[in-house]
Amino acid sequence: GQQLNQSPQSMFIQEGEDVSMNCTSSSIFNTWLWYKQDPGEGPVLLIALYKAGELTSNGRLTAQFGITRKDSFLNISASIPSDVGIYFCAGSYQGGSEKLVFGKGTKLTVNP
Amino acid sequence: GAGVSQTPSNKVTEKGKYVELRCDPISGHTALYWYRQSLGQGPEFLIYFQGTGAADDSGLPNDRFFAVRPEGSVSTLKIQRTERGDSAVYLCASSPRTAVRAFFGQGTRLTVV
Repeated sequence: GQQLNQSPQSMFIQEGEDVSMNCTSSSIFNTWLWYKQDPGEGPVLLIALYKAGELTSNGRLTAQFGITRKDSFLNISASIPSDVGIYFCAGSYQGGSEKLVFGKGTKLTVNP
Repeated sequence: GAGVSQTPSNKVTEKGKYVELRCDPISGHTALYWYRQSLGQGPEFLIYFQGTGAADDSGLPNDRFFAVRPEGSVSTLKIQRTERGDSAVYLCASSPRTAVRAFFGQGTRLTVV
Protein backbone atom coordinates (compact mmCIF):
# COMPACT_ATOMS: atom_id res chain seq x y z
CA GLY A 1 0.00 0.00 0.00
CA GLN A 2 1.01 3.61 -0.42
CA GLN A 3 3.06 5.15 2.35
CA LEU A 4 4.52 8.54 2.93
CA ASN A 5 8.26 9.21 2.63
CA GLN A 6 9.43 9.88 6.17
CA SER A 7 12.98 10.80 7.15
CA PRO A 8 15.24 10.21 8.83
CA GLN A 9 14.63 6.52 9.49
CA SER A 10 16.36 6.76 12.87
CA MET A 11 18.04 9.34 15.07
CA PHE A 12 20.43 9.06 17.99
CA ILE A 13 20.68 12.26 20.01
CA GLN A 14 21.82 13.55 23.38
CA GLU A 15 19.35 14.69 25.98
CA GLY A 16 18.67 18.39 25.57
CA GLU A 17 19.20 18.47 21.81
CA ASP A 18 16.53 19.54 19.34
CA VAL A 19 15.15 17.07 16.78
CA SER A 20 13.59 17.54 13.38
CA MET A 21 11.88 14.99 11.15
CA ASN A 22 9.79 15.35 8.01
CA CYS A 23 7.39 13.68 5.64
CA THR A 24 6.75 14.12 1.96
CA SER A 25 4.11 12.78 -0.38
CA SER A 26 3.44 12.77 -4.09
CA SER A 27 -0.23 13.33 -3.30
CA ILE A 28 -2.02 16.28 -1.75
CA PHE A 29 -3.39 15.76 1.75
CA ASN A 30 -5.99 17.87 3.51
CA THR A 31 -4.86 16.81 6.98
CA TRP A 32 -1.44 15.94 8.37
CA LEU A 33 -1.01 14.11 11.66
CA TRP A 34 1.95 13.21 13.84
CA TYR A 35 1.87 10.18 16.18
CA LYS A 36 4.22 8.60 18.72
CA GLN A 37 4.28 4.86 19.27
CA ASP A 38 5.88 3.13 22.25
CA PRO A 39 6.76 -0.59 22.17
CA GLY A 40 3.71 -2.80 22.52
CA GLU A 41 1.31 0.12 22.24
CA GLY A 42 -0.78 1.73 19.55
CA PRO A 43 0.09 5.12 18.06
CA VAL A 44 -0.89 8.17 20.11
CA LEU A 45 -1.81 11.41 18.35
CA LEU A 46 0.58 14.30 19.10
CA ILE A 47 -0.46 17.04 16.69
CA ALA A 48 -3.08 17.47 13.95
CA LEU A 49 -2.72 20.02 11.13
CA TYR A 50 -5.67 21.08 9.01
CA LYS A 51 -4.58 23.98 6.78
CA ALA A 52 -1.72 24.55 4.38
CA GLY A 53 0.94 26.67 6.07
CA GLU A 54 -0.44 25.98 9.56
CA LEU A 55 2.14 25.91 12.35
CA THR A 56 1.00 24.25 15.58
CA SER A 57 2.73 23.63 18.89
CA ASN A 58 2.04 21.16 21.69
CA GLY A 59 4.48 21.77 24.52
CA ARG A 60 7.99 21.07 23.20
CA LEU A 61 6.57 19.81 19.90
CA THR A 62 6.02 21.98 16.85
CA ALA A 63 4.67 20.81 13.51
CA GLN A 64 3.91 22.52 10.22
CA PHE A 65 1.63 21.71 7.30
CA GLY A 66 3.55 22.48 4.09
CA ILE A 67 2.19 25.11 1.71
CA THR A 68 2.08 22.63 -1.17
CA ARG A 69 0.03 20.23 1.03
CA LYS A 70 2.56 17.53 0.15
CA ASP A 71 4.84 17.76 3.16
CA SER A 72 5.03 18.31 6.90
CA PHE A 73 7.71 18.47 9.57
CA LEU A 74 7.84 17.83 13.32
CA ASN A 75 10.33 19.47 15.66
CA ILE A 76 11.01 18.41 19.24
CA SER A 77 12.92 20.91 21.35
CA ALA A 78 15.10 20.14 24.36
CA SER A 79 14.66 16.37 24.11
CA ILE A 80 14.27 14.26 27.24
CA PRO A 81 14.63 10.48 27.74
CA SER A 82 10.89 9.88 27.61
CA ASP A 83 10.84 11.21 24.02
CA VAL A 84 12.26 7.82 22.99
CA GLY A 85 9.94 5.99 20.61
CA ILE A 86 8.85 5.81 17.00
CA TYR A 87 7.27 8.87 15.44
CA PHE A 88 4.90 8.50 12.51
CA CYS A 89 3.46 11.05 10.15
CA ALA A 90 0.08 10.34 8.59
CA GLY A 91 -2.15 12.09 6.13
CA SER A 92 -5.71 11.93 4.96
CA TYR A 93 -6.79 12.74 1.44
CA GLN A 94 -9.21 15.39 0.33
CA GLY A 95 -12.81 14.44 -0.05
CA GLY A 96 -13.45 13.35 3.49
CA SER A 97 -11.65 10.03 3.21
CA GLU A 98 -11.43 8.20 6.51
CA LYS A 99 -8.33 6.33 5.38
CA LEU A 100 -5.07 7.48 6.98
CA VAL A 101 -1.82 6.89 5.09
CA PHE A 102 1.22 6.48 7.35
CA GLY A 103 4.93 6.97 6.92
CA LYS A 104 7.42 4.27 7.89
CA GLY A 105 8.38 6.06 11.06
CA THR A 106 11.40 7.73 12.64
CA LYS A 107 12.93 5.83 15.54
CA LEU A 108 14.26 8.26 18.13
CA THR A 109 16.85 7.32 20.73
CA VAL A 110 17.79 9.85 23.40
CA ASN A 111 20.99 9.30 25.35
CA PRO A 112 20.91 10.75 28.88
CA GLY B 1 -10.72 0.63 31.10
CA ALA B 2 -11.83 3.60 29.02
CA GLY B 3 -9.59 2.93 26.02
CA VAL B 4 -9.83 0.70 22.94
CA SER B 5 -9.36 -2.91 23.99
CA GLN B 6 -8.04 -5.61 21.68
CA THR B 7 -7.96 -9.31 22.40
CA PRO B 8 -5.94 -11.40 22.37
CA SER B 9 -2.72 -9.42 22.82
CA ASN B 10 -0.79 -12.17 21.09
CA LYS B 11 -1.92 -14.99 18.83
CA VAL B 12 0.23 -17.73 17.39
CA THR B 13 -1.42 -19.92 14.78
CA GLU B 14 -0.42 -22.49 12.24
CA LYS B 15 -0.41 -21.77 8.55
CA GLY B 16 -3.80 -22.54 7.04
CA LYS B 17 -5.77 -22.02 10.24
CA TYR B 18 -8.61 -19.54 10.82
CA VAL B 19 -8.25 -16.70 13.35
CA GLU B 20 -10.50 -14.06 14.85
CA LEU B 21 -9.24 -10.83 16.36
CA ARG B 22 -11.54 -8.79 18.58
CA CYS B 23 -11.80 -5.05 19.10
CA ASP B 24 -13.82 -3.34 21.85
CA PRO B 25 -14.03 0.36 20.95
CA ILE B 26 -14.49 3.26 23.33
CA SER B 27 -18.12 3.41 24.40
CA GLY B 28 -20.19 5.64 22.13
CA HIS B 29 -17.67 5.78 19.30
CA THR B 30 -19.48 5.19 16.03
CA ALA B 31 -16.42 4.98 13.78
CA LEU B 32 -14.07 1.98 13.95
CA TYR B 33 -10.93 1.28 11.95
CA TRP B 34 -8.63 -1.70 11.44
CA TYR B 35 -5.00 -1.28 10.44
CA ARG B 36 -2.17 -3.75 9.93
CA GLN B 37 1.40 -2.91 10.96
CA SER B 38 4.23 -5.07 9.67
CA LEU B 39 7.63 -5.02 11.34
CA GLY B 40 9.46 -1.77 10.66
CA GLN B 41 6.52 -0.24 8.84
CA GLY B 42 3.77 2.24 9.58
CA PRO B 43 0.17 1.10 10.00
CA GLU B 44 -1.69 0.27 6.77
CA PHE B 45 -5.43 0.83 6.49
CA LEU B 46 -7.64 -2.23 6.18
CA ILE B 47 -11.26 -1.28 6.77
CA TYR B 48 -13.49 1.44 8.24
CA PHE B 49 -16.89 1.00 9.87
CA GLN B 50 -19.44 3.71 10.48
CA GLY B 51 -21.95 2.09 12.81
CA THR B 52 -22.66 -1.45 11.68
CA GLY B 53 -21.70 -1.01 8.06
CA ALA B 54 -18.31 -1.22 6.40
CA ALA B 55 -18.00 2.21 4.76
CA ASP B 56 -14.60 1.52 3.19
CA ASP B 57 -13.02 -1.94 2.89
CA SER B 58 -10.57 -0.99 0.17
CA GLY B 59 -7.56 -1.92 2.30
CA LEU B 60 -8.45 -5.58 2.81
CA PRO B 61 -5.66 -7.42 0.95
CA ASN B 62 -7.77 -10.30 -0.39
CA ASP B 63 -10.92 -12.31 0.24
CA ARG B 64 -9.32 -14.25 3.10
CA PHE B 65 -9.83 -11.15 5.23
CA PHE B 66 -13.26 -10.17 6.51
CA ALA B 67 -14.49 -7.93 9.32
CA VAL B 68 -17.85 -7.48 11.00
CA ARG B 69 -19.44 -5.11 13.48
CA PRO B 70 -22.96 -6.50 13.87
CA GLU B 71 -24.22 -4.25 16.67
CA GLY B 72 -22.18 -1.16 15.92
CA SER B 73 -19.85 -1.68 18.85
CA VAL B 74 -17.49 -4.68 19.07
CA SER B 75 -15.76 -5.62 15.83
CA THR B 76 -14.12 -8.88 14.78
CA LEU B 77 -11.46 -9.20 12.10
CA LYS B 78 -11.50 -12.67 10.59
CA ILE B 79 -8.67 -14.22 8.61
CA GLN B 80 -9.15 -17.51 6.80
CA ARG B 81 -6.42 -19.90 5.65
CA THR B 82 -3.71 -17.85 7.33
CA GLU B 83 -0.36 -17.44 5.59
CA ARG B 84 3.04 -16.59 7.06
CA GLY B 85 2.82 -13.20 5.34
CA ASP B 86 -0.21 -12.35 7.49
CA SER B 87 2.09 -12.09 10.52
CA ALA B 88 1.85 -8.52 11.80
CA VAL B 89 0.36 -6.36 14.53
CA TYR B 90 -3.31 -5.70 13.86
CA LEU B 91 -4.41 -2.36 15.28
CA CYS B 92 -7.94 -1.22 15.94
CA ALA B 93 -8.97 2.40 16.45
CA SER B 94 -12.26 4.10 17.28
CA SER B 95 -13.51 7.65 16.99
CA PRO B 96 -16.63 9.61 17.87
CA ARG B 97 -16.52 11.19 14.46
CA THR B 98 -13.50 11.15 12.11
CA ALA B 99 -10.24 9.29 11.65
CA VAL B 100 -8.31 12.36 12.78
CA ARG B 101 -9.66 11.97 16.28
CA ALA B 102 -9.33 8.19 16.50
CA PHE B 103 -7.78 6.43 19.48
CA PHE B 104 -5.77 3.28 18.85
CA GLY B 105 -5.76 0.08 20.86
CA GLN B 106 -2.56 -1.69 21.83
CA GLY B 107 -2.90 -4.14 18.95
CA THR B 108 -2.95 -7.90 18.51
CA ARG B 109 0.37 -9.42 17.46
CA LEU B 110 -0.42 -12.28 15.06
CA THR B 111 2.29 -14.81 14.28
CA VAL B 112 1.64 -17.47 11.65
CA VAL B 113 4.07 -20.39 11.86
